[in-house]
Amino acid sequence: EVQLLESGGGLVQPGGSLRLSCAASGFTFSQFVMAWVRLAPGKGLEWVSSIADTGRTFYLDSVKGRLTISRDNSRNTLYLHMRSLRDEDTAVYYCAMYRPGDYQPPYDYWGQGTKVTVSS
Amino acid sequence: DIQMTQSPSLLSASVGDRVTITCRASPGISNHVAWFQQKPGKAPKSLIFAASTLQGGVPSRFSGSGSGTELTLTITSLQPEDFATYYCQQYHAYPWTFGQGTKVEI
Repeated sequence: EVQLLESGGGLVQPGGSLRLSCAASGFTFSQFVMAWVRLAPGKGLEWVSSIADTGRTFYLDSVKGRLTISRDNSRNTLYLHMRSLRDEDTAVYYCAMYRPGDYQPPYDYWGQGTKVTVSS
Repeated sequence: DIQMTQSPSLLSASVGDRVTITCRASPGISNHVAWFQQKPGKAPKSLIFAASTLQGGVPSRFSGSGSGTELTLTITSLQPEDFATYYCQQYHAYPWTFGQGTKVEI
């Protein structure tokens, strides 16, 4: 059974840092595209970042240089390193699994979400 | 960036109704769109990918159609558990973008 379990969220001051983790199980983690998607209060879903099975990374413009996606295939874990956090990064962050290839449609496998609150 | 304009933002419906949600993509995205359902406090649920392919276990009352610039999600015979917010997402090109969402309410 595929499972994705996020952790690492919390309350952080503006300008602070956090590292989110997503522990994966039930599939060959290294072979799939993984992504972070967030839901801010009162807003809609927003794609944040993806990392391909090849290791290539992609980012939403507003997070480039501040958020870094990575994966440790030996630990079956996806990460989102967050620094210089802003109020607008406040959201529930979900990890999700997507198909590899030139076009990368989603599977229906999502974590339960981890909440990040940026506030002084 | 590819813009996904989703409409309507709010849809009032009754059990048994047929509802249609539209996403207009600019520029066109072929069939590289997915549809998601989200309920409060829950993770999104992927319903459809490649414009019309149902994810496993998704009821057949959900269907998707379209290609290029106009993509559509249809729910025939709305059920009580279908009241939620629905989103389209394009994966034609990075950065991936979601529509603004459609809340389907009673």
